[in-house]
Amino acid sequence: NAGVTQTPKFRVLKTGQSMTLLCAQDMNHEYMYWYRQDPGMGLRLIHYSVGEGTTAKGEVPDGYNVSRLKKQNFLLGLESAAPSQTSVYFCASSLTGEDEQFFGPGTRLTVL
Amino acid sequence: RKEVEQDPGPFNVPEGATVAFNCTYSNSASQSFFWYRQDCRKEPKLLMSVYSSGNEDGRFTAQLNRASQYISLLIRDSKLSDSATYLCVVKSGGFKTIFGAGTRLFVKA
Repeated sequence: NAGVTQTPKFRVLKTGQSMTLLCAQDMNHEYMYWYRQDPGMGLRLIHYSVGEGTTAKGEVPDGYNVSRLKKQNFLLGLESAAPSQTSVYFCASSLTGEDEQFFGPGTRLTVL
Repeated sequence: RKEVEQDPGPFNVPEGATVAFNCTYSNSASQSFFWYRQDCRKEPKLLMSVYSSGNEDGRFTAQLNRASQYISLLIRDSKLSDSATYLCVVKSGGFKTIFGAGTRLFVKA
C-alpha cells in the first residue's frame, strides 16, 4: 500500500499561471481533504470531499477549485496563482469523518 | 483569539526528561481531540487520540479537561527520536477540524 501520494513534490510558478495538484489514495477511503500549511499557523482546510463526485468548501477555499471524479483521486487546481498561495499543500484521507486522517508527503509550492 | 492555541516553544530538553505540552481550545462544543506528530518537512501523523478519561500509550499520556477547555500531552523519558513538532487537533462536529500551529520539541543528548 502506498497510502496517500501527491504529485508534484515541488513546483515554482509565476503569478497568473495555473496548475493542478494530484492526490491519490489506495485505502478505499471515502473522505479526502486538501490543506495548506504556512509558518506559524496550523493546517487550514481548503476543500474536502465526502465521496466520489462530491466536493465542499473548507476554511480557505478562495482561489482554489477541486474535483473528485474517481474515489481514489482528489485534484486541487489553482487557476491564476498568486504569491499568497505560496505554501505547503497536504492532501489527506480518512475512512469516515471521525477517523484518523492519513496525510500525503506534501507539495511545496512557490509563486513568484 | 485562535480557536486552538499551543505554546510554539521550542522546548529544549535533555534525554530522559519529562516534558508536557498544553493546548487550549475556544469552542465548548468540540467533540474529538487528537495529538499529531510532524517531523521536519514531513507530513503529520497521528500520535494518539485523547479520550475524556485520559489515555496512555507507552511513554505518552494524553489528558482532556473539558471544564477548562484544554488538552495536554505528557512525554516521559524523552528520546532523541521524540524531537518533532506536536500538533493539537480539535474536531467540532462535521468537518470542522482545527489544527493548532504546533509545539516544537528538541531532545538533546
